[in-house]
Amino acid sequence: QQQVKQSPQSLIVQKGGISIINCAYENTAFDYFPWYQQFPGKGPALLIAIRPDVSEKKEGRFTISFNKSAKQFSLHIMDSQPGDSATYFCAASGGGRGTSYGKLTFGQGTILTVHP
Amino acid sequence: KAGVTQTPRYLIKTRGQQVTLSCSPISGHRSVSWYQQTPGQGLQFLFEYFSETQRNKGNFPGRFSGRQFSNSRSEMNVSTLELGDSALYLCASSFKGVPQETQYFGPGTRLLVL
Repeated sequence: QQQVKQSPQSLIVQKGGISIINCAYENTAFDYFPWYQQFPGKGPALLIAIRPDVSEKKEGRFTISFNKSAKQFSLHIMDSQPGDSATYFCAASGGGRGTSYGKLTFGQGTILTVHP
Repeated sequence: KAGVTQTPRYLIKTRGQQVTLSCSPISGHRSVSWYQQTPGQGLQFLFEYFSETQRNKGNFPGRFSGRQFSNSRSEMNVSTLELGDSALYLCASSFKGVPQETQYFGPGTRLLVL
């Protein structure tokens, strides 16, 4: 019930292309869905987040699409750049107060490589 | 504002030893969460502290423990280290630790158990 499944595990795109990473969740109590970006030797950093009352959120080249009925959400990176090469994690939080304080449930991560 | 800091950045220990890791949250943040990151299991939630109280705990054995001080700084301790405890340990801070708040992560402490 607490799982978040992420695909693909790795992704290679050419500069200027579109990168798409997908996640699916099981727990319908989740109500916050952030995406984190992690570079080698660094901790994860928030990229963009969405709440289930909207179906899409865009910030610059990054867009989250959210499908509540399918319990799926995805990250689209437009005009991918070599500097976007990193590991991306989807996550989810929410549910009963006692079990949700300070807890993010993460997907397994996607290693994105953008070739110049 | 200074970010989340973690010390030490790297540690090498042997099986059976214990280790203490430290985390200083962003100023004003009272919630500190700890995560273990491994290639096989990914990022897994260990526990969360707020106002010196543990409010939430993940599925880790009792060898993993933590505490939080009155200035919100937090420590985690792992006793009787096992090879499988080798991982990157990350702490994250937020104002209240409620689900829709952004968690800000530190750079992590990389622990190697030999």
